[in-house]
Amino acid sequence: AQSVTQLDSHVSVSEGTPVLLRCNYSSSYSPSLFWYVQHPNKGLQLLLKYTSAATLVKGINGFEAEFKKSETSFHLTKPSAHMSDAAEYFCVVSDRGAAGNKLTFGGGTRVLVKP
Amino acid sequence: GAGVSQTPSNKVTEKGKYVELRCDPISGHTALYWYRQSLGQGPEFLIYFQGTGAADDSGLPNDRFFAVRPEGSVSTLKIQRTERGDSAVYLCASSPGTGETQYFGPGTRLLVL
Repeated sequence: AQSVTQLDSHVSVSEGTPVLLRCNYSSSYSPSLFWYVQHPNKGLQLLLKYTSAATLVKGINGFEAEFKKSETSFHLTKPSAHMSDAAEYFCVVSDRGAAGNKLTFGGGTRVLVKP
Repeated sequence: GAGVSQTPSNKVTEKGKYVELRCDPISGHTALYWYRQSLGQGPEFLIYFQGTGAADDSGLPNDRFFAVRPEGSVSTLKIQRTERGDSAVYLCASSPGTGETQYFGPGTRLLVL
């Protein structure tokens, strides 16, 4: 079985300051890990994914995440927040050893960016 | 190119009615997934198709929910005897094949009164 815990339901940052969104996962197999972003009234957009290559993954819009197997974590960071980063972010795990590649989502972290 | 599309974007129905939600995947994508997102929560897996067949329907909550993909492209999620607890956003995703990145549609917001 696989599961994801996003440690913060809400994060508030000032524009231009770093963003850190925390995620811990549980997986029976070798996991694939993703971060998706959901802007209001828009579909889920893939930010980045980890599938077993480099543990530091770079995504779109300046985001990156580091896979730490020993800590079962996949935290998302960005050095400098922009107003357009205000959205809901989901950490997602998929068991590559299981058939179908169904995704298991965390509960989401809502990011507020203050001017 | 065109992404995943879902129709209708919003659906309001009364308790006990039947509804159909449609998903048009990205052309050529063989894998198709349905998820349900309740208010304030992350999406939850419902069912997965590889081609025309439902390869995994373990996420369907009960036998009121059914989905088809008769020609391996468009899929329809069908809900019988709707209940207020079925109110949610229903998301569809497709991928080129199993194990590849899933691309999501904008969702259908279902409200059961």
